[in-house]
Amino acid sequence: NAGVTQTPKFQVLKTGQSMTLQCAQDMNHNSMYWYRQDPGMGLRLIYYSASEGTTDKGEVPNGYNVSRLNKREFSLRLESAAPSQTSVYFCASKHEANQPQHFGDGTRLSIL
Amino acid sequence: LAKTTQPISMDSYEGQEVNITCSHNNIATNDYITWYQQFPSQGPRFIIQGYKTKVTNEVASLFIPADRKSSTLSLPRVSLSDTAVYYCLVGDEAAGNKLTFGGGTRVLVKP
Repeated sequence: NAGVTQTPKFQVLKTGQSMTLQCAQDMNHNSMYWYRQDPGMGLRLIYYSASEGTTDKGEVPNGYNVSRLNKREFSLRLESAAPSQTSVYFCASKHEANQPQHFGDGTRLSIL
Repeated sequence: LAKTTQPISMDSYEGQEVNITCSHNNIATNDYITWYQQFPSQGPRFIIQGYKTKVTNEVASLFIPADRKSSTLSLPRVSLSDTAVYYCLVGDEAAGNKLTFGGGTRVLVKP
């Protein structure tokens, strides 16, 4: 069972470059999420998609855009990367409200 | 959203029971309590969820008193592999609330 798959696993960017992080789930889940986790901290919600065709801002959306391409895929885009966006990015999905979220293994992004 | 407070860290030894208490004084009527476990370099993994009283599964128990202002995650007979960060989340996503991960509790299991 693949679950939630994130690509790439690692990436180094230069300041100002753009990048799209990919996330796909094969569990037929309705909701998908993007989080960032800075060293020693908890996860912070960037954007989420409650269902196909909808997206909403989370706690820290500035500097990011998202696309819910279809029910399976939810991408996160950095248009002009900044060093402050160096972090580990996690994608998650869930079937419906108050059900557990299923997480991918993360994308480790460094911006120089 | 209900704010949660957990201890920053806890140490234990192999074979002992570990209890982590989470305070959520302003929990709302329809809020659920959910616990996740996170190992280094991995995404969080769901452990257990409850609404009231006691919930038990194959890895943990969750104790919730009648007033629901706190909850305790109990890990029986921990092993070294239980060393991880444990997060307590409280909310009602059906009401449109998005759950917030706090700093979590770092549990270190020693031999």
